[in-house]
Amino acid sequence: DIVMTQSPDSPAVSLGERATINCKSSQTILNSSNNKNYLAWYQHKPGQPPKLLIYWASTRESGVPDRFSGSGSGTDFTLTITSLQADDVAVYYCQQYYATPYTFGQGTKLEIK
Amino acid sequence: EVQLVESGGGLVQPGGSLRLSCAASGFTFSRYWMHWVRQAPGKGLVWVSRINTDGRSTIYADSVKGRFTISRDNAKNTLYLQMNSLRAEDTAVYYCAREGVTLGPWGQGTLVTVSS
Repeated sequence: DIVMTQSPDSPAVSLGERATINCKSSQTILNSSNNKNYLAWYQHKPGQPPKLLIYWASTRESGVPDRFSGSGSGTDFTLTITSLQADDVAVYYCQQYYATPYTFGQGTKLEIK
Repeated sequence: EVQLVESGGGLVQPGGSLRLSCAASGFTFSRYWMHWVRQAPGKGLVWVSRINTDGRSTIYADSVKGRFTISRDNAKNTLYLQMNSLRAEDTAVYYCAREGVTLGPWGQGTLVTVSS
C-alpha cells in the first residue's frame, strides 16, 4: 500500500497569514503516461462530510476559493492557504488515487494562532 | 443538486451485522463508480471499498475483506454496504462518496457502533 505522510500535525497560523501543509507519498504517484499526479486534498470540518478541494495535485475543485492552491510532483506535495480566514479551521487530508487501496494522510489540524 | 444520504447505522453487538444504504440523487447514479470511506472516533479517514458502474467489479480494504460486501441497485439509485462479523474496530462514521476524478461529493455519514 502507498503510505501518505503529512506534516506538520497541527500548525497554528495567524489570520491573514499563509498556511502550508506538506504531504509525502511512499512511492511516486505521478503517472508518466499522462503526466498527472494522482493526489487530492480534502477539508474536513466537524459535523460535516469531507470536501474535495484540489485534485491532480493542483487543480481546484469548482467553487473552491483561489486562496487554496496545491503544488508538487512525484512524491512531495504541498497545500497552501494564503491569507488564512477563520472559516479555514479544519482538518486537511491528502489522498492518493494512483492505486487501490486509496490511502489518506493522517490529517493536519489547522488552528488559528 | 447532487445529494448522497446514508442510513442504516446504529448500535450492534460484536459479531453482528448491519446493512448501510446510500441514496443518491441529482445525478445519473449508474454512470459513476462509488466508494465507502470510514472515520473511527478521533481518527483519520480510511478508504473501505469501491464498486464500478454495473456492480460487477468491487474491491475492498484488507481490514474488511471477506466480511463486508459493497453492492448497488442502479434502478433505485442506491449504494449498499453489507457488514458482517462486525468488530469493535469497525466502529466509525461511514461515508459514501461518488468518484469523479476522485472522491467527491460525500454524504453526511452514518455512525456504526460495535459494542456489547
